[in-house]
Amino acid sequence: NAGVTQTPKFQVLKTGQSMTLQCAQDMNHNSMYWYRQDPGMGLRLIYYSASEGTTDKGEVPNGYNVSRLNKREFSLRLESAAPSQTSVYFCASSEQAQVGYTFGSGTRLTVV
Amino acid sequence: QKEVEQNSGPLSVPEGAIASLNCTYSDRVSQSFFWYRQYSGKSPELIMSIYSNGDKEDGRFTAQLNKASQYVSLLIRDSQPSDSATYLCAVRGDSSYKLIFGSGTRLLVRP
Repeated sequence: NAGVTQTPKFQVLKTGQSMTLQCAQDMNHNSMYWYRQDPGMGLRLIYYSASEGTTDKGEVPNGYNVSRLNKREFSLRLESAAPSQTSVYFCASSEQAQVGYTFGSGTRLTVV
Repeated sequence: QKEVEQNSGPLSVPEGAIASLNCTYSDRVSQSFFWYRQYSGKSPELIMSIYSNGDKEDGRFTAQLNKASQYVSLLIRDSQPSDSATYLCAVRGDSSYKLIFGSGTRLLVRP
C-alpha cells in the first residue's frame, strides 16, 4: 500500500545511546516532517524538509539531527538519547504546503 | 498563549447526536486548516480541510471556519461509537510548510 513507512515501530534505548529513525514515502511528495507526540502536548514539529536537499528546524530540534537522503527518505537521528526524548515519533509527508499531511504509523521510543 | 487551542475533553455525546468540536488559533495570517482523527495508539488521519470562511461538508462531517474570530470547528452528525477518538485541529502557520497542531479533543460516543 502507498504511504509513509517508519521503522522501527518500537525501541528501548539506554541514556546516552544513539539511534536513527527511518522514514520513507512512496507518494512522490516533496515535503517531509518529523513530529513528536507527548501526552497533553499534542504534536510538536522537530524538523522538516520542504524539498529534497533542504532541512529546517521546527519547534523542538534540540538533541536531534535529520538527513533528507533523497526525495523518498527522511531520517531522524538521536546522537545521545535522554529520558526526555521518550515519546512517540511520527514522520509525515505532503505534496505541497496547502494540503494536509499523510502520517506514518509512528515509532514508540522509550529512553531509560 | 498556545498557537492552536482545543478543549481536551472528553466530550461525551450519545449515539446519533451531533458532536461539536472547537478550535481557536492565534496567527491571523493562517491560511489552511485541518482536522485529523487519531484513534488510541494509531497515527493521525486527515478527515477534513478548509481554506475559506464558511462551511464545508463531507458526509457526516462539516468543518466551519471564521477567520475574523480565528475559530474553526468540526461537526459530526449522527455520531457513532466508531467516531470515539481524539480529534486534532491543525493550522498552517507563518511558514508555508509547517502545520501547528492543537493538543486534541477526546470524543466519546456512548451507545
